Amino acid sequence: DVKVTQSSRYLVKRTGEKVFLECVQDMDHENMFWYRQDPGLGLRLIYFSYDVKMKEKGDIPEGYSVSREKKERFSLILESASTNQTSMYLCASSLRGLSLYEQYFGPGTRLTVT
Amino acid sequence: RKEVEQDPGPFNVPEGATVAFNCTYSNSASQSFFWYRQDCRKEPKLLMSVYSSGNEDGRFTAQLNRASQYISLLIRDSKLSDSATYLCVVRGGKLIFGQGTELSVKP
Repeated sequence: DVKVTQSSRYLVKRTGEKVFLECVQDMDHENMFWYRQDPGLGLRLIYFSYDVKMKEKGDIPEGYSVSREKKERFSLILESASTNQTSMYLCASSLRGLSLYEQYFGPGTRLTVT
Repeated sequence: RKEVEQDPGPFNVPEGATVAFNCTYSNSASQSFFWYRQDCRKEPKLLMSVYSSGNEDGRFTAQLNRASQYISLLIRDSKLSDSATYLCVVRGGKLIFGQGTELSVKP
């Protein structure tokens, strides 16, 4: 079974703090994604990566950055957390090619910024 | 107009009922369609892909209507374990998720 893990299930941070969310997948998937999920808005793509050291902006990249130094690990960074970044953050991974769009999700990190 | 729209529900149905969800999409060039399931406080998981000819997997039937730009999910003989949020997902150049439809199946 594909396993996608995220470093924390719940996180509370203060406004202005730098926040790191880590995601690791164990199935050698090329593609990795970061989403946030908010009530009434669905999942929105923040950033994605098709390969090591490669990143592409999604729909809402402002206020976020990412890092992919190893194939299995994709990090989301909030340079200076703000209250409007309080949300559920979901990491996902998928194989390249025809299976590109079958995504496997991690359990999520619920981030609260106070 | 949202790119992918779903009725948020909740749909409250008794066990054994048949329930259907619709999802509309705005981009006529969309290429692939999926239904994901998300249990409360859990991550989304792929339920089924939606093919042009329609497809069935046990009690679940998915259909696509390109002319009217909607997809549907039909669940027959609902079980308590079907209670979840069902996410419609559409692929054009990227994946776009609907906000989900909540289903609650009662004894």
